[in-house]
Amino acid sequence: GAVVSQHPSRVICKSGTSVKIECRSLDFQATTMFWYRQFPKKSLMLMATSNEGSKATYEQGVEKDKFLINHASLTLSTLTVTSAHPEDSSFYICSARGGEVREAFFGQGTRLTVV
Amino acid sequence: KQEVTQIPAALSVPEGENLVLNCSFTDSAIYNLQWFRQDPGKGLTSLLLIQSSQREQTSGRLNASLDKSSGRSTLYIAASQPGDSATYLCAVKPSGSARQLTFGSGTQLTVLP
Repeated sequence: GAVVSQHPSRVICKSGTSVKIECRSLDFQATTMFWYRQFPKKSLMLMATSNEGSKATYEQGVEKDKFLINHASLTLSTLTVTSAHPEDSSFYICSARGGEVREAFFGQGTRLTVV
Repeated sequence: KQEVTQIPAALSVPEGENLVLNCSFTDSAIYNLQWFRQDPGKGLTSLLLIQSSQREQTSGRLNASLDKSSGRSTLYIAASQPGDSATYLCAVKPSGSARQLTFGSGTQLTVLP
């Protein structure tokens, strides 16, 4: 299957700083990428959908100024958590699809801890 | 709004047992349903994908069924092994223009040696 790589796998940052998470499609061109957030023992909640070259579409309740999404190329999307606070601590997962890859493949996830 | 429910939330079985995980969804207008496995602190691995026109899919010891009209899917795991211990998530993709997946909250499976 297609490979989606997410980096970093874990990050700890101080409250008030910004953190960038990268999501790369390694062997296909991802025209669409999805960003999810997962709380402990909870389901994945879709945060936003990004299409290459256009602005991301955010789900209701997700602050677009806090969670900045960039999808400037067909193989890379980034999620930047700005001015992070402890309540932003969570597991963030991206998925990507595009071209002949009709179903979305998932990255390994990023565990963000804000202290 | 589509809602996906998985029962039980957690399940513990001895090695070798056959087991069934359940998934139900409220809106039967789906494009497909997918079962995933998630290991602790890791991403998702797709196990089986069932198109809306299909009734079941099999891969090795796994068999997934779909009854779209009743809004239910089951994942059957035969001869369970400790390595099967993980959280199993089901997700539905709606038909129509909105193609984002809606996930259940998962069943945490522990297979005891």
